[in-house]
Amino acid sequence: EIVLTQSPATLSLSPGEKATLSCRASQSVGSFLAWYQQKPGQAPRLLIYGISNRASGIPARFSGSGSGTDFTLTFSSLEPEDVAVYYCQQRRNWPWTFGHGTKVEIK
Amino acid sequence: EVQLVQSGAEVKKPGESLRISCKGSGYAFTSYYIGWVRQMPGQGLEWMGIIYPGDSDTRYSPSFQGQVTISADRSISTAYLQWSSLKASDSAIYYCASPAAYTGGWWAFWGQGTLVTVSS
Repeated sequence: EIVLTQSPATLSLSPGEKATLSCRASQSVGSFLAWYQQKPGQAPRLLIYGISNRASGIPARFSGSGSGTDFTLTFSSLEPEDVAVYYCQQRRNWPWTFGHGTKVEIK
Repeated sequence: EVQLVQSGAEVKKPGESLRISCKGSGYAFTSYYIGWVRQMPGQGLEWMGIIYPGDSDTRYSPSFQGQVTISADRSISTAYLQWSSLKASDSAIYYCASPAAYTGGWWAFWGQGTLVTVSS
C-alpha cells in the first residue's frame, strides 16, 4: 500500500499569506495524485487532479506541482473561506489512499 | 447536472444489518465507477471500495474486504454499501463518489454523506 505523508498537520496563516502544503508518497505515484478540500460538515471537494490540473470552478489561486513522490499544493493568497482540511490522494496503485490531511486555519 | 444523493442517517445496534444507498442522476450511471469512502469521527478519509455498475466489477480495499458488500442496481441508478453485522467501530460518515469524465477518472462528484451510528 502506498502511504501518503502530509505536512504540516496544521497550518495557521493570516489572510493574504501564501500557503504551501506538502504530500510525500512512499513510492512513485507518477501523475496519479490529486488534492481535495473538506470544509467542516461538508463532503470533500476535488481541487487539483493529475498533479497540477484545477478542477471545474476552482479559483486560480490554488495550484499543484511536483513529481514522483513529492507534491505541493499552494494557495497564492489565503482567503477566509479556505479554512478546511486538505487531503492528497493517489490512484497509482490499489488500494487508493489518502494522506492524513493538513488543517488550514486563519491566524 | 450530476448528482449523487445518499440515504439518510441511521442509528443501529451492534449485530444488526444495514444497507445504505447512493442514487446517481444527470449522467450515464453504468459508465462510471462509484466509490465508497469512510470517515470516522474526527478522522481522515479512507477508500473502502469501488464498483463499476456496467458489469458490477467490484474492488475492495484490503481493510474492508469481507467486512462490507458493495453492489449496484443499474435499473434504478443506485449503488449500495451493506453490512451483515455492524460493530460500534462502524460508526462513521460514509460518502459515495464518482469520477468526472473531463478529469480522466478523478473523483469530482460526491454524495452528501450518510452518518451511521452503531450503539447499544
